[in-house]
Amino acid sequence: AQSVSQHNHHVILSEAASLELGCNYSYGGTVNLFWYVQYPGQHLQLLLKYFSGDPLVKGIKGFEAEFIKSKFSFNLRKPSVQWSDTAEYFCAVNARTGFQKLVFGTGTRLLVSP
Amino acid sequence: GAVVSQHPSRVICKSGTSVKIECRSLDFQATTMFWYRQFPKQSLMLMATSNEGSKATYEQGVEKDKFLINHASLTLSTLTVTSAHPEDSSFYICSATGGTPGELFFGEGSRLTVL
Repeated sequence: AQSVSQHNHHVILSEAASLELGCNYSYGGTVNLFWYVQYPGQHLQLLLKYFSGDPLVKGIKGFEAEFIKSKFSFNLRKPSVQWSDTAEYFCAVNARTGFQKLVFGTGTRLLVSP
Repeated sequence: GAVVSQHPSRVICKSGTSVKIECRSLDFQATTMFWYRQFPKQSLMLMATSNEGSKATYEQGVEKDKFLINHASLTLSTLTVTSAHPEDSSFYICSATGGTPGELFFGEGSRLTVL
């Protein structure tokens, strides 16, 4: 079964600071990888996803993530955060085959101070 | 992108009553729908997977008699919390896939409060 670990539970940054959120997964087969964001009071939105190909994927709002297969990692990055990036971020994984059920990490709560 | 809608967004009920939450795919046919539960400040926990026309597959520890899932059509799945108790208070979220590998769309979530 898949599992996902997010090591940072809470992150506080000032505007314009760089962001990197860690995500590691455990699974023996081929996976799809996702980052979702949940803004306060809103539903989950997809930030970016990796299925195959270039391991550096770019998503919405200036976010990117890099899949490093040897490290089972899919860290999320943004060079310069904004106050509006305050949200909770979830890493998720599902198996490339089968019923595609997503397994989520515990989430990272990001607070960006103006 | 595709739209998944949940109703109601908020519901408050008395202990012992049953509550039904609907999840609809508005512009695509959802071959598979997933129901998640999110406790405050915690991650989403998968409760069950449902495929249209067949019985739902429940995750370990989820009581299928308490959380009844029906996926009667390709655009609608329902979750019924039977004989709800305060500990069932939570945020319930559905997601749906139309078949594209790895592509999942989430509903807005339904916040259940059991008094």
